[in-house]
Amino acid sequence: SQTIHQWPATLVQPVGSPLSLECTVEGTSNPNLYWYRQAAGRGLQLLFYSVGIGQISSEVPQNLSASRPQDRQFILSSKKLLLSDSGFYLCAWSAGTVDTQYFGPGTRLTVL
Amino acid sequence: AQSVTQLDSQVPVFEEAPVELRCNYSSSVSVYLFWYVQYPNQGLQLLLKYLSGSTLVESINGFEAEFNKSQTSFHLRKPSVHISDTAEYFCAVTGGYQKVTFGIGTKLQVIP
Repeated sequence: SQTIHQWPATLVQPVGSPLSLECTVEGTSNPNLYWYRQAAGRGLQLLFYSVGIGQISSEVPQNLSASRPQDRQFILSSKKLLLSDSGFYLCAWSAGTVDTQYFGPGTRLTVL
Repeated sequence: AQSVTQLDSQVPVFEEAPVELRCNYSSSVSVYLFWYVQYPNQGLQLLLKYLSGSTLVESINGFEAEFNKSQTSFHLRKPSVHISDTAEYFCAVTGGYQKVTFGIGTKLQVIP
């Protein structure tokens, strides 16, 4: 069966510090991968999605970036965090665009 | 372009009462519709989806949603809610060749 992992579960970082969140998927090949941010009252915002290794589409201009160094690994990064980067970050995978998205447990990021 | 509107940010309802969570969408192509549920501090899970065929779709825990093309709606209903249904519910839409767009979510609070 397929599983999706995210870490860390919680993170508290000072403004201006770097960020690296990792997501890995097991039990499937060539998945579509997604990074979402969930902020209070704003719902689910798609940040990046990837349909293959090295293929990243950015949805929202910001100080975040994403990379897919391996087929089932998706990394969200920032060189300098802003207060507005606080939120709940969710990674998800799907077999295709119309297929069910399977979400990881999320990372709660607090930028102070 | 596609969009999803969830008109109610919060819906309080007494236990064993019926509930309807509203979702309207817009899309220039054929649509595929989803409802996801998020329990506190967890990722999202698929509740039900409409891809084609019968316009009435059901979940294993008693929820149902009806695809109404003329009204561009996909409202979620349950005839009798339980305390365990307390969660946030997200409606989502995709046209098949596009990314999935999520609504901002509706928090269902079941009151004992």
